[in-house]
Amino acid sequence: QVQLVQSGTEVKKPGASVKVSCKSSGYTFSSYGIGWVRQAPGQGLEWMGWISPYNGNTNYAQSFQGRVTMTIDTTTSTADMELRSLTSDDTAVYYCARVRAGGWFDPWGHGTLVTVSS
Amino acid sequence: DIQMTQSPSTLSASVGDRVTISCRASQSISGSLAWYQQKPGKAPNLLIYKASSLESGVPSRFSGSGSGTEFTLTISSLQPDDFATYYCQQYYTYATFGQGTKLEIK
Repeated sequence: QVQLVQSGTEVKKPGASVKVSCKSSGYTFSSYGIGWVRQAPGQGLEWMGWISPYNGNTNYAQSFQGRVTMTIDTTTSTADMELRSLTSDDTAVYYCARVRAGGWFDPWGHGTLVTVSS
Repeated sequence: DIQMTQSPSTLSASVGDRVTISCRASQSISGSLAWYQQKPGKAPNLLIYKASSLESGVPSRFSGSGSGTEFTLTISSLQPDDFATYYCQQYYTYATFGQGTKLEIK
């Protein structure tokens, strides 16, 4: 079955960077994009961006431009998301998800908790 | 940027009720809308895509409708497992989520 498995919980200090990994299985990796969505504690879902495994093209949400980098490794079917210059406002669960057809997300990874604290 | 506004933010209902959640886009998104269900501590789960297409494996009591700027998610007869938070998402231009609707037990 289609599965996205994410890397584990991270604790970072303000100003640091974090990289979250997402390994896909059960489908042809190069045929679907990977999107990243985050959810702060008790809050809603926030789209961060997505990447095409076909050509590596990315689109980032305006609020993350210049601070986020999404990469892909088709040899290992893994997508990474790096977020830099962390503040406490970046404390959230970060999800990766397969991007289907026009742009909806299915399935989702289990999420990675990133805590930013001094 | 396209803004998505859901209403209500919280909805109290009973098992067996018919409930409707609304989602409004700040500009026309044609039929480029998805609905998700999220339970506490879990990742969102796709229910509906292309505004009205039911995802495989999702119970038929869930349905979606609308186009342009106005969309609706309907649950025809609430089951205990349906109490959760629901989000709409547009994918007409990049992606934006609504703020969520929490469906609570009355």
